[in-house]
Amino acid sequence: GQQLNQSPQSMFIQEGEDVSMNCTSSSIFNTWLWYKQDPGEGPVLLIALYKAGELTSNGRLTAQFGITRKDSFLNISASIPSDVGIYFCAGQGAQKLVFGQGTRLTINP
Amino acid sequence: NAGVMQNPRHLVRRRGQEARLRCSPMKGHSHVYWYRQLPEEGLKFMVYLQKENIIDESGMPKERFSAEFPKEGPSILRIQQVVRGDSAAYFCASSPPGFTSGSGEQYFGPGTRLTVT
Repeated sequence: GQQLNQSPQSMFIQEGEDVSMNCTSSSIFNTWLWYKQDPGEGPVLLIALYKAGELTSNGRLTAQFGITRKDSFLNISASIPSDVGIYFCAGQGAQKLVFGQGTRLTINP
Repeated sequence: NAGVMQNPRHLVRRRGQEARLRCSPMKGHSHVYWYRQLPEEGLKFMVYLQKENIIDESGMPKERFSAEFPKEGPSILRIQQVVRGDSAAYFCASSPPGFTSGSGEQYFGPGTRLTVT
């Protein structure tokens, strides 16, 4: 089946640093989405990307849909303590979402 | 505007019992999806439903699992004769009508954490 490889698996950074994570796939997706999940909660949608090459920002978050439609990255600038959590990429082909394994972000104050 | 509602938030069942998980989509949404998440893993698709129709159940185990989304009321994920391996977080997501393949934007509920003892 379709699989997404998300990296890195975990990141330990200082508050104020920028963060970058990415996802790659062997399959083409029509849509890429980035979610954040806090402990004990459901994923919250951060950014949705619909076109190859699209670059979209949401506050300090920036994400891009790769030209090949097989990859995407998410950048977080000037990290703050509330950015802590697990970030998931998800690709969508036919209705259902295929999720990456997640990137766990830890921030040292 | 309330988000996706799921209940119960936590469910404990003994092996062999039945588990019923409920999901009410966001107001105005008519598409419901169920996903399962094991600890330290991403979410895995189980089933996609519209009102009174199962559209894609390719991620559902062939036995013991069933899902419905009746004309009235919440969507139900039913697991019969639960086993320890069914312990996981089960998430429901919804998307609005007019949704076509590739338009994304599924909104998730808080999940039901099932523990089988």
